[in-house]
Amino acid sequence: DGGITQSPKYLFRKEGQNVTLSCEQNLNHDAMYWYRQDPGQGLRLIYYSQIVNDFQKGDIAEGYSVSREKKESFPLTVTSAQKNPTAFYLCASSIGRGLHDGYTFGSGTRLTVV
Amino acid sequence: AQSVTQLDSQVPVFEEAPVELRCNYSSSVSVYLFWYVQYPNQGLQLLLKYLSGSTLVKGINGFEAEFNKSQTSFHLRKPSVHISDTAEYFCAVSEGIYNQGGKLIFGQGTELSVKP
Repeated sequence: DGGITQSPKYLFRKEGQNVTLSCEQNLNHDAMYWYRQDPGQGLRLIYYSQIVNDFQKGDIAEGYSVSREKKESFPLTVTSAQKNPTAFYLCASSIGRGLHDGYTFGSGTRLTVV
Repeated sequence: AQSVTQLDSQVPVFEEAPVELRCNYSSSVSVYLFWYVQYPNQGLQLLLKYLSGSTLVKGINGFEAEFNKSQTSFHLRKPSVHISDTAEYFCAVSEGIYNQGGKLIFGQGTELSVKP
């Protein structure tokens, strides 16, 4: 079955560490997105990519980095510069290519700073 | 800039009662509109979408929504809710793929709590 896989489901980070969240899709979607979810704040866009080897900052990109070397993969690195990284992170994809049919979401990664 | 406002942060309702979750958006151009549902510790699942055509849109799990351009609203309704409908619901808008890459802007979410 086609879909988006996020791993790990739970992740713990020590202060000062970088961590990378994985997002893989087999839907043949061109566009991919990373959102951060905090209670009562909805979803906020971190980064998005419409095509391989290209990506743009979203509304809250500071302290995060991404890469898009393959169409199927869009990993997110939470760097030590992100002062409040504890949150639920959601990856999504969409068809792109001039079409819009909404997003397909992964099941999320819950990151906790310890 | 476009924005989405979900007018109720929490909606408690009894089982088998009707429910309406309200969503208003602001945009000066044509939009695509979506409703998503999120169960605890899971990703979001698409309930229904309005891209064009009929303003009454039917989705999964018995939900429907009506696009009202003059009132810039896209309220979600279900005539009779079940305990299993307890979840958080998100309204989202996109100004289209040629503007800002088809990104979705999400509302703050409405927590629907169905009580027996």
